[in-house]
Amino acid sequence: DAKTTQPNSMESNEEEPVHLPCNHSTISGTDYIHWYRQLPSQGPEYVIHGLTSNVNNRMASLAIAEDRKSSTLILHRATLRDAAVYYCILYNTDKLIFGTGTRLQVFP
Amino acid sequence: EPEVTQTPSHQVTQMGQEVILRCVPISNHLYFYWYRQILGQKVEFLVSFYNNEISEKSEIFDDQFSVERPDGSNFTLKIRSTKLEDSAMYFCASARLRNNNEQFFGPGTRLTVL
Repeated sequence: DAKTTQPNSMESNEEEPVHLPCNHSTISGTDYIHWYRQLPSQGPEYVIHGLTSNVNNRMASLAIAEDRKSSTLILHRATLRDAAVYYCILYNTDKLIFGTGTRLQVFP
Repeated sequence: EPEVTQTPSHQVTQMGQEVILRCVPISNHLYFYWYRQILGQKVEFLVSFYNNEISEKSEIFDDQFSVERPDGSNFTLKIRSTKLEDSAMYFCASARLRNNNEQFFGPGTRLTVL
């Protein structure tokens, strides 16, 4: 399974944008880039996914590098509710392989 | 908004006992999964299930584990003889399509083996 590398933790102030990076230098052509998050004491929650083009949805934006070896999850205005562990996952099979993710702290 | 539900929220059992964890996936979903998360560790894939068959399973999913969808709505995970190291949060997930599709997770069942 292809690997991803994320910072262990990041901090943000409320209402500021947050850019969560992910490196996936061994990505294959069929790998989709998925992002999930896990709020404290909850199950993982889908955030967004993409293949080659940048993607936007109501939760976030996903910026994918042209060579696809890295991507960035963008939360446009962080809220306290966005404090969670964010997982970047390469997905091309029937299962999600979670890493350790980035723990995002949001300060008021 | 439809959601995956799991029962019980917390199960305490004695080592060696059998437990059944229950999940109700989203109604029009066809693909079902179990994951587990030992306290402080990563979320780990256990098994995927489609068309009443296991599609894929991890090394963790040994002969002590089984899954079934007995009545077309519930999706269960059975651990035949629990061990201390089975203590974890168990998450059920479902998806409408396979591969590269959003998986919807339930809130989890915390299993404590004494």
